[in-house]
Amino acid sequence: GQQVMQIPQYQHVQEGEDFTTYCNSSTTLSNIQWYKQRPGGHPVFLIQLVKSGEVKKQKRLTFQFGEAKKNSSLHITATQTTDVGTYFCAGRGSGYSTLTFGKGTMLLVSP
Amino acid sequence: DADVTQTPRNRITKTGKRIMLECSQTKGHDRMYWYRQDPGLGLRLIYYSFDVKDINKGEISDGYSVSRQAQAKFSLSLESAIPNQTALYFCATSDRGLADRYNEQFFGPGTRLTVL
Repeated sequence: GQQVMQIPQYQHVQEGEDFTTYCNSSTTLSNIQWYKQRPGGHPVFLIQLVKSGEVKKQKRLTFQFGEAKKNSSLHITATQTTDVGTYFCAGRGSGYSTLTFGKGTMLLVSP
Repeated sequence: DADVTQTPRNRITKTGKRIMLECSQTKGHDRMYWYRQDPGLGLRLIYYSFDVKDINKGEISDGYSVSRQAQAKFSLSLESAIPNQTALYFCATSDRGLADRYNEQFFGPGTRLTVL
């Protein structure tokens, strides 16, 4: 079946530092989505990437989809305390009809 | 999102009891999902339904069953609850989407289930 691996599992940064989480799939993906879950909350969709090599930005967040469509990353520039939460990638493999979620990266930001 | 509601929000039960978790949505989406979240394990798919007459097993369906009563309602049942089913359960919905492009999933607030 599909496997989506995400690293690191946890990261603690000082406010203002950058943060990156990486997602790798065992198979080629048709698309990949990123979600954010605040502590005590539910996952909320951030973005979807579909094209090989695609790069999308949302303010301080930069999302990339690898050329081979097997990996992706989320980079946050100059973290803020509001960035605290768990970030999940979720990929859909070619021929699959559902998303497979990575285990998530928990981000803690200290002021 | 308030458009996806789950009941109950919290439930404590005993081993062997039958439990039903309910999900309702007002988004008009055809597709509904049940996930389980455990610390460090992410979100794992239990069952999904792409329309009222369609039910599919996910990654971890053993010990669970579902019912799609209507487009807006999707229930998850634990026929005989066991302690390792203690977890946070999320319902989610998504639109049908264009060919080969999956639209975002909208999650409910979750149900925290404890099996003693």
